[in-house]
Amino acid sequence: GAGVSQSPSNKVTEKGKDVELRCDPISGHTALYWYRQSLGQGLEFLIYFQGNSAPDKSGLPSDRFSAERTGGSVSTLTIQRTQQEDSAVYLCASSTGTGGWYNEQFFGPGTRLTVL
Amino acid sequence: GNSVTQMEGPVTLSEEAFLTINCTYTATGYPSLFWYVQYPGEGLQLLLKATKADDKGSNKGFEATYRKETTSFHLEKGSVQVSDSAVYFCALSDQKGGKLIFGQGTELSVKP
Repeated sequence: GAGVSQSPSNKVTEKGKDVELRCDPISGHTALYWYRQSLGQGLEFLIYFQGNSAPDKSGLPSDRFSAERTGGSVSTLTIQRTQQEDSAVYLCASSTGTGGWYNEQFFGPGTRLTVL
Repeated sequence: GNSVTQMEGPVTLSEEAFLTINCTYTATGYPSLFWYVQYPGEGLQLLLKATKADDKGSNKGFEATYRKETTSFHLEKGSVQVSDSAVYFCALSDQKGGKLIFGQGTELSVKP
């Protein structure tokens, strides 16, 4: 079946603008994760959804970052008033079950965000 | 808090050489351990995993053993190929919800 998809694949924006990044998980996967990959910080966890709830938001770097998930499926990560340090590749992953620690996470191709 | 440390790269090897990429972790409880690989221009994909102490994960000729006593999960392959050139990430999963905590990644380049 189809894997995790993300859109857009690339996004260039100006400092101060808002951006929305979309993730379509694998059908039936109840757990969804957002990470970002940047040169300086490596791969960092941002937020975890189980269904439409977010029991772990501990990785969101500031209140400019928010995310939601609707219908237990699509998720949107929103960054308000973007800054240059937000430039990174934003990765989405999904897994089956209850997000158990032993479940494999399947990653999407990522959205490359560049803030000018 | 939980953390993962892996050897710095880049690592450059000749084809058919033996590969070891060291990975150690700090964690409370009993995390699962993973190796993910990112081939050039592609997304992250799971290479292998181990869910409890002394488990050995293996795939595509790669192996790693979950060593609780040394808190390590070193990746090994007996004979690397040019097609193994990629960035390798060691990770552990938090028992609460399963978020992954990654090491900094090790770039491997295999020359013919």
